[in-house]
Amino acid sequence: GAVVSQHPSWVICKSGTSVKIECRSLDFQATTMFWYRQFPKQSLMLMATSNEGSKATYEQGVEKDKFLINHASLTLSTLTVTSAHPEDSSFYICSASWGSRPGETQYFGPGTRLLVL
Amino acid sequence: KNEVEQSPQNLTAQEGEFITINCSYSVGISALHWLQQHPGGGIVSLFMLSSGKKKHGRLIATINIQEKHSSLHITASHPRDSAVYICAASIQGAQKLVFGQGTRLTINP
Repeated sequence: GAVVSQHPSWVICKSGTSVKIECRSLDFQATTMFWYRQFPKQSLMLMATSNEGSKATYEQGVEKDKFLINHASLTLSTLTVTSAHPEDSSFYICSASWGSRPGETQYFGPGTRLLVL
Repeated sequence: KNEVEQSPQNLTAQEGEFITINCSYSVGISALHWLQQHPGGGIVSLFMLSSGKKKHGRLIATINIQEKHSSLHITASHPRDSAVYICAASIQGAQKLVFGQGTRLTINP
């Protein structure tokens, strides 16, 4: 089956630093990648949708300058949390998809837990 | 009101019991997903269905398009089935998924 990896799985950083999270599709070419954020005991919240080679589409209320998304290749998307603050601590999950109906074929990564001190 | 509603929010059962988790949606969908999230956080896609019924091992998912309702059943439940189960709808004409709130299932030995 389709495999999506994320790196790192855990990151602890100081307030004010920037953190980059990678999402890779290992055995397929992902034309679309999604980034989600999840707070404890809550469901996933879509942050942005990125299509390879174009700018990401951010959901309402998500700061694009705060959460930089790059989808430079068909197997890699990165999320950079710039100038991280404690309120950015959360669980970040990516998913990857291909084809003309990406909402139907999403494969999820294992997630990255970010703790900002 | 959320576009995708799950019930119950929490469910505790004894090992061996038959489990049903329900999902109702109020929008037009092209497919409905059932996902499993274990305490570590990783998400596994269990089923994607647009009609009828699918079965995988002890898991069964059904969907009734007319009633806009889907169910996930677990037969002969086991403590390792303890997880959060999430239904998510692929909205017609859109790329993204809309998620239910999740059902936290605990199976006691």
